[in-house]
Amino acid sequence: EVQLLESGGGLVQPGGSLRLSCAASGFTFSSYAMSWVRQAPGKGLEWVSAISGSGGSTYYADSVKGRFTISRDNSKNTLYLQMNSLRAEDTAVYYCAKDRAGKGVVVADDAFDIWGQGTMVTVSS
Amino acid sequence: SYVLTQPPSVSVAPGQTARITCGGNNIGSKSVHWYQQKPGQAPVLVVYDDSDRPSGIPERFSGSNSGNTATLTISRVEAGDEADYYCQVWDSSSDHRRVFGGGTKLTVL
Repeated sequence: EVQLLESGGGLVQPGGSLRLSCAASGFTFSSYAMSWVRQAPGKGLEWVSAISGSGGSTYYADSVKGRFTISRDNSKNTLYLQMNSLRAEDTAVYYCAKDRAGKGVVVADDAFDIWGQGTMVTVSS
Repeated sequence: SYVLTQPPSVSVAPGQTARITCGGNNIGSKSVHWYQQKPGQAPVLVVYDDSDRPSGIPERFSGSNSGNTATLTISRVEAGDEADYYCQVWDSSSDHRRVFGGGTKLTVL
């Protein structure tokens, strides 16, 4: 069964850092680009960042560029999101999501066919 | 930046047809994807590339896309279809930025 399992969320003070992880199973992880998508409480979905299958190409939303870093360890089938300089507006459930097409590169108009259950990040003093 | 506009809510009686729209400038030239999200759960892909269905998604779910409007159609609506629905496209004016619509709450009366 194809599965994604996030971890690492929690309560952090403004200006602090947090590292999210997403463990993948049931598919050839390195063949698929992956993304992080977040959802603030009671709000809609917002794409955050994407990474190619090799990890060589990364992309970010303007709202997190320069503060967040996406990475992956294909030997561990794990996706990461390092979040620095956190702000109250970063408070959200963070989902990892798999690109539908296994082309390795980030295909910008691709869909997300598998999502994790999400991990909550709360930025508050 | 590219903006997708969805109605906040749509209501339909069981057994009827629900149509959820997603408006955007020349959206017909883009690939549109649709997600269903039930309370407390992760989104689920129900339609991709305008009108294709992932395996396991009922044929009752269909999509179309033309001009400035994409539409998700749910036929023979069931109580279990009550959820939030989001459309999504690629903002081709940006560097690989994906954009979601604001979401539509489908209520089954």
